[in-house]
Amino acid sequence: GAVVSQHPSWVICKSGTSVKIECRSLDFQATTMFWYRQFPKQSLMLMATSNEGSKATYEQGVEKDKFLINHASLTLSTLTVTSAHPEDSSFYICSARVGGARGQPQHFGDGTRLSIL
Amino acid sequence: RKEVEQDPGPFNVPEGATVAFNCTYSNSASQSFFWYRQDCRKEPKLLMSVYSSGNEDGRFTAQLNRASQYISLLIRDSKLSDSATYLCVVNIGGNKLVFGAGTILRVKS
Repeated sequence: GAVVSQHPSWVICKSGTSVKIECRSLDFQATTMFWYRQFPKQSLMLMATSNEGSKATYEQGVEKDKFLINHASLTLSTLTVTSAHPEDSSFYICSARVGGARGQPQHFGDGTRLSIL
Repeated sequence: RKEVEQDPGPFNVPEGATVAFNCTYSNSASQSFFWYRQDCRKEPKLLMSVYSSGNEDGRFTAQLNRASQYISLLIRDSKLSDSATYLCVVNIGGNKLVFGAGTILRVKS
């Protein structure tokens, strides 16, 4: 089945550090990938849609200058949390949809747990 | 009103029990519907898509009622390994997924 891989799985770093998270589709090409954030005991919230070769589309309330997204190839999207602060600590998950047909489900990476001290 | 609403539970059931989860969504233009399962501190994994005609996968049956904007998931013969959070997920268009907050299931021996 479709596999989406994220790296790293865990990040612990000091406040003010920038953190890059990678999302790769391992056995399929993904022109579109999605970045979500999940705080404890809350549902996943879409942050942005990453489009290969073009700018990402950000959801309302998500700062595009703080959460930099680059989708340089059909198999890789990156999310960089710039100058991270403790309130950015969360579970970040990417997803990709296999195929272009409407109704196809998204498959998720195994997530990155970010802790900012 | 939340776009996707679920009873948070927890549902505590014995092994072998049948349990049903419900979900309602507010956007009548929603296009596709899914149940995902999320284990503690893990990513969501697709359980099944949901169709108006209803669909079954082993012990799991999902149903969609577009008129009532209601989705259900039935789990028969519950196993210990079914313990997880079940997420009702709706595609509201443009590939945008909206997640319910999840329903916690605990199956006990």
